Amino acid sequence: KAGVTQTPRYLIKTRGQQVTLSCSPISGHRSVSWYQQTPGQGLQFLFEYFSETQRNKGNFPGRFSGRQFSNSRSEMNVSTLELGDSALYLCASSLTPNYGYTFGSGTRLTVV
Amino acid sequence: AQTVTQSQPEMSVQEAETVTLSCTYDTSESDYYLFWYKQPPSRQMILVIRQEAYKQQNATENRFSVNFQKAAKSFSLKISDSQLGDAAMYFCAYRSAYGNKLVFGAGTILRVKS
Repeated sequence: KAGVTQTPRYLIKTRGQQVTLSCSPISGHRSVSWYQQTPGQGLQFLFEYFSETQRNKGNFPGRFSGRQFSNSRSEMNVSTLELGDSALYLCASSLTPNYGYTFGSGTRLTVV
Repeated sequence: AQTVTQSQPEMSVQEAETVTLSCTYDTSESDYYLFWYKQPPSRQMILVIRQEAYKQQNATENRFSVNFQKAAKSFSLKISDSQLGDAAMYFCAYRSAYGNKLVFGAGTILRVKS
C-alpha cells in the first residue's frame, strides 16, 4: 500500500515568487492536513481538507492557501514568498483522524 | 487553546536500556486523543502510539508504552529495550475529539548509545 507522497522533495525559490506543493494521500483517505515545521516555531497546523472542503485553518496569513481535489489529492500554495517561509512542509492523511495521521516525507522549501 | 509541553529537549539512553520521555498538556476538554510520533532523519513522522482520553488503560505497542495520567494531564512514553533504530526526534501531540488538527510539543531528541 503506497504511503503519503509529497512532491517535490526539495524546492528553492526566490523572495516574492509563489510555490505550489503537492500531496497524494493514501488510497481511501479523504482527510488531508498540512503542517509547517521550522526550528523556531516547531510544528504548526496550516489547514485540513475533507472531501474537497476546508474544515479548519491555522493561524497563517492569506498568502497560504490550499485545495483538495475529488481524488483527495491536495495542493498548498504560498504566494509572495518571504524568507521566513523556509520550512519543511508536511502533509498527512487519515481515514479516521482519531486513529492518527500518516505523514509524508515532506517538502523542504528554501526561500532565498 | 490547547498546549503541549515536552520539557526534555534531549535525552540519551544506552542500547537495551529503558528511557521515559515526558509530555504534559493543557486542555479544558474531557474528550481527546494523545499521540506520540517519531521523526527520524528521513523526516517522515511515524505514529508510535495513541491513547484515547476516555480509556484509563495505558496503551502499549510492543516495546513502547505510555503512562497516561488524565488528572495530572501527563502523557509520558516509555521505550523498553532501546535499539539504535529508536534514535529520532519524538513529538507528543494532542487532538481534540471535536477538532481537526494536531497540536504538537516542541519535541525531544533521543540518542541511543551502543
